Amino acid sequence: GEDVEQSLFLSVREGDSSVINCTYTDSSSTYLYWYKQEPGAGLQLLTYIFSNMDMKQDQRLTVLLNKKDKHLSLRIADTQTGDSAIYFCAEILPYGQNFVFGPGTRLSVLP
Amino acid sequence: EPEVTQTPSHQVTQMGQEVILRCVPISNHLYFYWYRQILGQKVEFLVSFYNNEISEKSEIFDDQFSVERPDGSNFTLKIRSTKLEDSAMYFCASRKGAPAYNSPLHFGNGTRLTVT
Repeated sequence: GEDVEQSLFLSVREGDSSVINCTYTDSSSTYLYWYKQEPGAGLQLLTYIFSNMDMKQDQRLTVLLNKKDKHLSLRIADTQTGDSAIYFCAEILPYGQNFVFGPGTRLSVLP
Repeated sequence: EPEVTQTPSHQVTQMGQEVILRCVPISNHLYFYWYRQILGQKVEFLVSFYNNEISEKSEIFDDQFSVERPDGSNFTLKIRSTKLEDSAMYFCASRKGAPAYNSPLHFGNGTRLTVT
């Protein structure tokens, strides 16, 4: 089945690292994405990882992929109040055109 | 940077009325999508469109829904007879390339549809 799962809420203190987790169900997914949604706005692409990679780093963002467990995580270093948003992971199924989104993790950054 | 633009940002309509939500995808993109997000819930796929026809649609996209690319720039979603449960944020998205390549979705800011 096509079901991407995420925990719904995460609170961290400003300056700490945040780790947002995602599990996906289709092991043949080629690309996995992280999107950020700020209040009242659309989904903004943050980063992606190709399925033959284990890790990708992009400034404060680190994406880890464990294909065996079908587990994806997004680490945000030195979390700031501006990082407060909903974070969605998404997969694209091979030979399909549909991106499947997780339910989103609401990240709250406390001062 | 090119953007996907959606109009209007907010649409209020009465139950049973027809609505048309408009989108202008990024100009060199070939694949177009509609998603919806009921308040506080998941982002749900409605339909994808390529080469002037629907390529995939979900169970939500029933006979009340239709999409059109009336000219070279606009991509519209029509709901023929709105129901209360159609109230949601509707997102248009586009992507440049074929599914096998890294071609992420680019989203518009959404149209909030309120059916009263």
